[in-house]
Amino acid sequence: NAGVTQTPKFRVLKTGQSMTLLCAQDMNHEYMYWYRQDPGMGLRLIHYSVGEGTTAKGEVPDGYNVSRLKKQNFLLGLESAAPSQTSVYFCASSYRFEFWTPLPNTGELFFGEGSRLTVL
Amino acid sequence: GENVEQHPSTLSVQEGDSAVIKCTYSDSASNYFPWYKQELGKGPQLIIDIRSNVGEKKDQRIAVTLNKTAKHFSLHITETQPEDSAVYFCAASRQGKSTFGDGTTLTVKP
Repeated sequence: NAGVTQTPKFRVLKTGQSMTLLCAQDMNHEYMYWYRQDPGMGLRLIHYSVGEGTTAKGEVPDGYNVSRLKKQNFLLGLESAAPSQTSVYFCASSYRFEFWTPLPNTGELFFGEGSRLTVL
Repeated sequence: GENVEQHPSTLSVQEGDSAVIKCTYSDSASNYFPWYKQELGKGPQLIIDIRSNVGEKKDQRIAVTLNKTAKHFSLHITETQPEDSAVYFCAASRQGKSTFGDGTTLTVKP
């Protein structure tokens, strides 16, 4: 049981190049998320998905695209990288949140180890 | 959208002392409030959470309190240990979508 796996872990890009970050989870979670983490700014939601074939914008979606063709995978794409996209990217997954369920922690986000991206 | 403010940004305590981190949120529809701990080079991990129908929750040395009227919630760590040193994030969540605070770097001095 690997949990949430992100690839690659490190990448250096030149301005204007494109790339895709891959997130895979083996917990059969419905929801998946991409966050970016910048110093002093916490985690900001880029895009998320509530199920296979669905995607939605988060707080900072500009310059990114996502796809969720399979339930276990969530891809984050940068079409034309900019220095402002230098960041650490975290993928997370969770069960569908049900407020009245007796089970604990159904709102818990399970994070990957992060992908450090530098755009020169 | 939701806005979460977290204070303080840094906190230094002596081993054995208590630590308190506070957060406020803006969206009264948020109904789930988790706290995450992030160690260097790793992804955040849930340490405790609380739902909006509960005012307080405790798990050994960690407790969380929620005041829905004032829209604020707090993390309390008692008898701190050096391994508690990390960055802590609060979040406010609605329908599975979480907004995070900017984090608190906690340092526990032996």
